[in-house]
Amino acid sequence: GAVVSQHPSRVICKSGTSVKIECRSLDFQATTMFWYRQFPKQSLMLMATSNEGSKATYEQGVEKDKFLINHASLTLSTLTVTSAHPEDSSFYICSAPRPGETDTQYFGPGTRLTVL
Amino acid sequence: GENVEQHPSTLSVQEGDSAVIKCTYSDSASNYFPWYKQELGKRPQLIIDIRSNVGEKKDQRIAVTLNKTAKHFSLHITETQPEDSAVYFCAASIGGNTGKLIFGQGTTLQVKP
Repeated sequence: GAVVSQHPSRVICKSGTSVKIECRSLDFQATTMFWYRQFPKQSLMLMATSNEGSKATYEQGVEKDKFLINHASLTLSTLTVTSAHPEDSSFYICSAPRPGETDTQYFGPGTRLTVL
Repeated sequence: GENVEQHPSTLSVQEGDSAVIKCTYSDSASNYFPWYKQELGKRPQLIIDIRSNVGEKKDQRIAVTLNKTAKHFSLHITETQPEDSAVYFCAASIGGNTGKLIFGQGTTLQVKP
């Protein structure tokens, strides 16, 4: 089946620093990828849609200058959490559909971000 | 905005019993309804899904029903086993065929041996 990877799996950083998370589709090309955030014991919340070759579209309430998304190739999207603060600590998960399968989402393994 | 309501938030059953989790959605354009199982610290795993042109779908011990008129869909797990214990999320597509999903709040299922 389709595989989506994320790197790093865990990251701990100091408050005020920026953190980059990578999402890769390993065996298919993804023109669209999605970024979700999940706080402990809560649901997944869609943050933004990453579009290859164009600007990301953000969900209401998500700061685009805080969460920078770049989708520079058909297999890679990056999420950069800028000037991270403890309240940004969360589980960040990406997903991507295979070409021709708009519905079925293949999720990455997630990245646990802890901001001290 | 669009939302998905999921109930119950926790569910405890004896091994061998059935478990039912219910969701309602608000977006009339929703046409795809997946269910995910998530274990602690892991990615969501798709366990079953249903599209709006179908009322029911079954895969071994798992079934999903959809009532588009009522905007309601349910997950049924029969003959539950301890390894079914996890958090289950329903989701609904939003805005038509965008690929976007909105998730329910999750149900923590505990199957007691």
